[in-house]
Amino acid sequence: DAKTTQPTSMDCAEGRAANLPCNHSTISGNEYVYWYRQIHSQGPQYIIHGLKNNETNEMASLIITEDRKSSTLILPHATLRDTAVYYCIVRVANSGNTPLVFGKGTRLSVIA
Amino acid sequence: GAVVSQHPSRVICKSGTSVKIECRSLDFQATTMFWYRQFPKQSLMLMATSNEGSKATYEQGVEKDKFLINHASLTLSTLTVTSAHPEDSSFYICSARTSGGLRSYNEQFFGPGTRLTVL
Repeated sequence: DAKTTQPTSMDCAEGRAANLPCNHSTISGNEYVYWYRQIHSQGPQYIIHGLKNNETNEMASLIITEDRKSSTLILPHATLRDTAVYYCIVRVANSGNTPLVFGKGTRLSVIA
Repeated sequence: GAVVSQHPSRVICKSGTSVKIECRSLDFQATTMFWYRQFPKQSLMLMATSNEGSKATYEQGVEKDKFLINHASLTLSTLTVTSAHPEDSSFYICSARTSGGLRSYNEQFFGPGTRLTVL
């Protein structure tokens, strides 16, 4: 059951900001928004997560709308190495044995 | 910290043979490990959840007698693909969950994956 909706693919010019949207209109009050990415032939890599406030770390920024029904992952200065599939996942934090469930994600291509 | 390793990184085997894939949490104890499978151009699909010292829980459609999972210690889980066939060729990824403490908000860490090719 898909709890998030993401565009299938996006392109971004190298050095520009990449803005990846995610819709999660059925998110519950205790569910966080997580972002992972998967570079080709590698395991998924954690990027960032948030509940309702905007978050920033060394990799990216996460902007969550006030109603929490959508969010945007921002890579401020995309490089060729950011080419990957980006997954937006909603789940309860520290939720025991509940695994991360991956949707289809957005395939981001950073172009020189 | 929070490193998960897998071995081997890639394996090629003949149809009918068995293949064992190891997943290790290198710097933390993993009470729960997850195994995923990923076919080309598709997303990760959860195969099973294993808890240290108990039997694994398999997702619907995953044959437990074909995909044997052993989670004998807090740092090691193994997936054995028995009597492998070409349709089992896939990218297998393990993930380990911490028992707390280490960056607990990011409690699921992924291995680099194992590419299995069955001839």
